[in-house]
Amino acid sequence: AQSVTQLGSHVSVSEGALVLLRCNYSSSVPPYLFWYVQYPNQGLQLLLKYTTGATLVKGINGFEAEFKKSETSFHLTKPSAHMSDAAEYFCAVLGGGSNYKLTFGKGTLLTVNP
Amino acid sequence: DVKVTQSSRYLVKRTGEKVFLECVQDMDHENMFWYRQDPGLGLRLIYFSYDVKMKEKGDIPEGYSVSREKKERFSLILESASTNQTSMYLCASSSDRGLSKNIQYFGAGTRLSVL
Repeated sequence: AQSVTQLGSHVSVSEGALVLLRCNYSSSVPPYLFWYVQYPNQGLQLLLKYTTGATLVKGINGFEAEFKKSETSFHLTKPSAHMSDAAEYFCAVLGGGSNYKLTFGKGTLLTVNP
Repeated sequence: DVKVTQSSRYLVKRTGEKVFLECVQDMDHENMFWYRQDPGLGLRLIYFSYDVKMKEKGDIPEGYSVSREKKERFSLILESASTNQTSMYLCASSSDRGLSKNIQYFGAGTRLSVL
């Protein structure tokens, strides 16, 4: 069975500072991994995904994530936070018995301080 | 762009009512999903469907049912609403094909309050 752990339910950074949101997963098969972002009162939208190939994945809005198999991690980073990055971020893993289901982490709320 | 449309943004219902939440997608996706989102619990899968008239239970199906009579439409039904079903409900769809395979596209959500 798949599972996702997001370390830190709330992360606060200053504008211009590095953003690091942590995600660890467990999967019985090679994982497909995703980061989604949810702005207030909206649905989720895809930031980036890892399937196969290059382990450093670039997404929208300057975010990127690195797949580290040995650490079972897929942490999300952005070099310089903007106020507009304030949102909730969800890590998800796909795979296992069903090819359709995503298992989500519980989310990390990112606050950006001026 | 993929569009997933949920029929209502906000709903207020009374305990015991039968509630229908509707979701429509315009990209001919094979798969559709219903989640509920609660603070501190993330997204939990209620039901999903991988084809017309096909459905599978997710992690928390109790108290819910679904209907998929047409490929573009996936309905979530609360047979007898209870206060513990007050939540944000999110619909999503995904394709089995192409570059966007397995990417789930979400609607804006329906915030349901059961009084």
